[in-house]
Amino acid sequence: GESVGLHLPTLSVQEGDNSIINCAYSNSASDYFIWYKQESGKGPQFIIDIRSNMDKRQGQRVTVLLNKTVKHLSLQIAATQPGDSAVYFCAENIRGGTYKYIFGTGTRLKVLA
Amino acid sequence: DVKVTQSSRYLVKRTGEKVFLECVQDMDHENMFWYRQDPGLGLRLIYFSYDVKMKEKGDIPEGYSVSREKKERFSLILESASTNQTSMYLCASSSGDGSTDTQYFGPGTRLTVL
Repeated sequence: GESVGLHLPTLSVQEGDNSIINCAYSNSASDYFIWYKQESGKGPQFIIDIRSNMDKRQGQRVTVLLNKTVKHLSLQIAATQPGDSAVYFCAENIRGGTYKYIFGTGTRLKVLA
Repeated sequence: DVKVTQSSRYLVKRTGEKVFLECVQDMDHENMFWYRQDPGLGLRLIYFSYDVKMKEKGDIPEGYSVSREKKERFSLILESASTNQTSMYLCASSSGDGSTDTQYFGPGTRLTVL
């Protein structure tokens, strides 16, 4: 089976409830952030991004909030569905500088029926 | 939609074998990346390439080499596979145009070295 998710913090949410997944990023110079979703046995899938000149960005059922003061990023999923079960991780980048991203280790979201 | 494909989903090799992992992207992206993903460690960058025949070492290049002869294709080579290279290998690409440098990932190759 897939071992990527071992040792990860887990968030268990009832189907239909809202989920909030948090990420503390490391570099105060980071100005571009991405949330990825990774299902078991698959590669990471882009969900939503946000630039540092924004505090909030909304997508379909997802919202990303950025708090630069405390270097914190959160992903909110509305009306969580069984298909949302996956590992979610954030990535930060200094756009225009290095090509490199810094990736979080992730949070496993479990949706309870 | 961006599509990044990897040549194998699962691969089993023996210690000392030479291993090739292939990655192809269809969006004319400038940048391509190879990562490995291990439990509790997140994604670690092995190598990346910002143009054909150009490459730069990432955080953990030891034991690996890469090749980018064509823009759409980026290969990861394990010259002599070792058991500590058992991992999930992920390829990614990004446009490199500076305005939106989102990395898009392939499905991954789970490599087991016996």
